[in-house]
Amino acid sequence: GQQLNQSPQSMFIQEGEDVSMNCTSSSIFNTWLWYKQEPGEGPVLLIALYKAGELTSNGRLTAQFGITRKDSFLNISASIPSDVGIYFCAGHSGGYQKVTFGTGTKLQVIP
Amino acid sequence: NAGVTQTPKFRILKIGQSMTLQCTQDMNHNYMYWYRQDPGMGLKLIYYSVGAGITDKGEVPNGYNVSRSTTEDFPLRLELAAPSQTSVYFCASSAQRNTEAFFGQGTRLTVV
Repeated sequence: GQQLNQSPQSMFIQEGEDVSMNCTSSSIFNTWLWYKQEPGEGPVLLIALYKAGELTSNGRLTAQFGITRKDSFLNISASIPSDVGIYFCAGHSGGYQKVTFGTGTKLQVIP
Repeated sequence: NAGVTQTPKFRILKIGQSMTLQCTQDMNHNYMYWYRQDPGMGLKLIYYSVGAGITDKGEVPNGYNVSRSTTEDFPLRLELAAPSQTSVYFCASSAQRNTEAFFGQGTRLTVV
């Protein structure tokens, strides 16, 4: 089946720093989704991307749909303590294919 | 602002017991999904539904059953609980197929 490799697996950063994480796939996707999961909660959608090369922002978050359609990137600028959580990418190749989730990037922010 | 509601939040089952995880959504979404999340892993799709009366298997359906008698409700049934079913279960819904999904808060199930 389709596989999504998400990196890094975890990261510790200082408050105020910028964060970058990415997701790569063994196959092409038509849609990339980025979710955030806080402890004890379900994932919440942050950004959805539908076109290769698309760059979309949501506040301090910016995500890009890679040109090859096999990767996506999420950047968080000027991190704050409430950015703590696990960030998941998810990809969909279209039609009746299922959404595939990455294994997550655990982000810890040191005040 | 209910969205997707799951009950219970926590449950401990003995091996061989059965239970139903409840899920209801108030957004009139046709598509609903059940996922399980194991530590350090992504979400694995158990079952999904494209509308009332229509369900289909996901990646990991063994040991589970679902039904969808109404648009709002999508319960997940475990008939003979096994330790391998210890996990966190998430229900989700979406307006379109396999696009932006709204998740419930999860049910943490432990089978001992």
